[in-house]
Amino acid sequence: DAGVIQSPRHEVTEMGQEVTLRCKPISGHDYLFWYRQTMMRGLELLIYFNNNVPIDDSGMPEDRFSAKMPNASFSTLKIQPSEPRDSAVYFCASSGSGASTDTQYFGPGTRLTVL
Amino acid sequence: SQQGEEDPQALSIQEGENATMNCSYKTSINNLQWYRQNSGRGLVHLILIRSNEREKHSGRLRVTLDTSKKSSSLLITASRAADTASYFCATAWGGNTPLVFGKGTRLSVIA
Repeated sequence: DAGVIQSPRHEVTEMGQEVTLRCKPISGHDYLFWYRQTMMRGLELLIYFNNNVPIDDSGMPEDRFSAKMPNASFSTLKIQPSEPRDSAVYFCASSGSGASTDTQYFGPGTRLTVL
Repeated sequence: SQQGEEDPQALSIQEGENATMNCSYKTSINNLQWYRQNSGRGLVHLILIRSNEREKHSGRLRVTLDTSKKSSSLLITASRAADTASYFCATAWGGNTPLVFGKGTRLSVIA
């Protein structure tokens, strides 16, 4: 199993630009989570999906952030326009049914730097 | 908001010693999970303990859960330099619900 895949691993952009982060969950998992990690606030949930449907997006900081899950194997997190305070590591995680249900498996993260 | 609070914030031990990290949380939970994060890397799942369990083992790891005190501990026995990392506890109020993370314990194992 390839695990959760995220791309890009690193992204450097200028303020005002659009940024798109991508995630491929583990095959068969029906829950997908987006988290953000910063020094100041630690790890925080942004949004999560069940069967491709957003369940809770209360962690999305503002309207500049949007997330989609068009199918069971792909999700995007978009920031438009980006700001320096968006600089962080963004993690995608997935979980599902079966023997290891409830265990969330994390991707390697995308380190975003907004200049 | 962060529910879990790890203690200590940082821990430095010699290789071969045991390391104990504690986690406290505030609300009722369905399960509690421990993760390891090496510097600049992703989160690696270590162990999950459910609210009706009191203790679990996995290799050199031992996790306890006391729901009456809303606390958990992670014990790493016979530590190795490769165990140097940050360790986070995370709680979930239900099955497959979002995790609420603590701020982590930075463990340094000196060879």
